[in-house]
Amino acid sequence: RKEVEQDPGPFNVPEGATVAFNCTYSNSASQSFFWYRQDCRKEPKLLMSVYSSGNEDGRFTAQLNRASQYISLLIRDSKLSDSATYLCVVNPFEGYNKLIFGAGTRLAVHP
Amino acid sequence: DGGITQSPKYLFRKEGQNVTLSCEQNLNHDAMYWYRQDPGQGLRLIYYSQIVNDFQKGDIAEGYSVSREKKESFPLTVTSAQKNPTAFYLCASTTLGGGNQPQHFGDGTRLSIL
Repeated sequence: RKEVEQDPGPFNVPEGATVAFNCTYSNSASQSFFWYRQDCRKEPKLLMSVYSSGNEDGRFTAQLNRASQYISLLIRDSKLSDSATYLCVVNPFEGYNKLIFGAGTRLAVHP
Repeated sequence: DGGITQSPKYLFRKEGQNVTLSCEQNLNHDAMYWYRQDPGQGLRLIYYSQIVNDFQKGDIAEGYSVSREKKESFPLTVTSAQKNPTAFYLCASTTLGGGNQPQHFGDGTRLSIL
């Protein structure tokens, strides 16, 4: 089993749609969680951290379910500019910053 | 502007040649990392360093070497022992803060075999 698993997609959605990505992680002791965005042939950029109580940043909402070892990202009112690969990232080690990256879920938003 | 600078953007390696990828940061970050990304795959950790003059192997260190002589700099050498070096190489850095700090990336180096 991979340490961090994501549906590779692609998710093809029209502008204005709501889309949800899911991610599962294997290490129950994992401490911190992030979503990164990666555009084609570019470096990953931090989209948002994921907190236990869930958190929102504009059109983006992240949720964490520790019992199920499951993380989600919801994008509302999709824009063309949201087209990218979304990486689920987990830090399994407390007190030490070594991140495990999922392979990513590709999103294509069309007019 | 603070950030992470990787150079060169594109690099070509001949058979039997060692090549060095540069990574410099002016964010005053303690920890630095090197990742490799192959098409359709997640990032895999090559080496990391938390302090000057100290570094540890990641998951795929064979065929690579690093040094950390200055806080700002963490160069990666791809040696001739790395038989499949074609990939996108990413350098990242972060502060050390209990493991809940995100990493920030340079814009990468694409390495290909000639």
